[in-house]
Amino acid sequence: GAVVSQHPSRVICKSGTSVKIECRSLDFQATTMFWYRQFPKKSLMLMATSNEGSKATYEQGVEKDKFLINHASLTLSTLTVTSAHPEDSSFYICSARDLGTLTKEAFFGQGTRLTVV
Amino acid sequence: AQTVTQSQPEMSVQEAETVTLSCTYDTSESDYYLFWYKQPPSRQMILVIRQEAYKQQNATENRFSVNFQKAAKSFSLKISDSQLGDAAMYFCAYNFGNEKLTFGTGTRLTIIP
Repeated sequence: GAVVSQHPSRVICKSGTSVKIECRSLDFQATTMFWYRQFPKKSLMLMATSNEGSKATYEQGVEKDKFLINHASLTLSTLTVTSAHPEDSSFYICSARDLGTLTKEAFFGQGTRLTVV
Repeated sequence: AQTVTQSQPEMSVQEAETVTLSCTYDTSESDYYLFWYKQPPSRQMILVIRQEAYKQQNATENRFSVNFQKAAKSFSLKISDSQLGDAAMYFCAYNFGNEKLTFGTGTRLTIIP
């Protein structure tokens, strides 16, 4: 299957600072990328959907000014957690879809464990 | 809105035995996709199997097969000859068109040696 690379896999940052997470599709063009947050032993919670070249669509309750998403190219989307707070500590996962295929399955990155201290 | 329900938070099975994970969904669409994803302790989401709603034949991938009942909106996953490496969280997911994936709450599968 297609490969989605997410970086970093783990990051620790201080409260008040910003941290950027990258999501790259390595062997296909990702017209749409999704960012999820996953709490321990819970399902994936969709935060936002980003389409290349346009503004991200955020799910209800997700602060768009806090979680900045940029999808500047067909292979790269970034999630920036601004003014990080300990409550932002979580596991973040990106996924990318190649809508040019019939299956439309989503390929997932390895995830990023964010710890805010 | 589409919903996906997994009614079994946890399941366990003896190694080499067969286990079935349940999933039901709600939609008014007729042509859509259904998926089972596996999330092992590494937390990497791995596609296990997919089913296209317009295909009546149940999908099969080696030891993994589904029982797709479109009228009942049911999509169960059967794992045969369970192996220790099958231990993971399993998520059922629904997709229609270019919309987002809708996930169930997951089933944690434990394999008993």
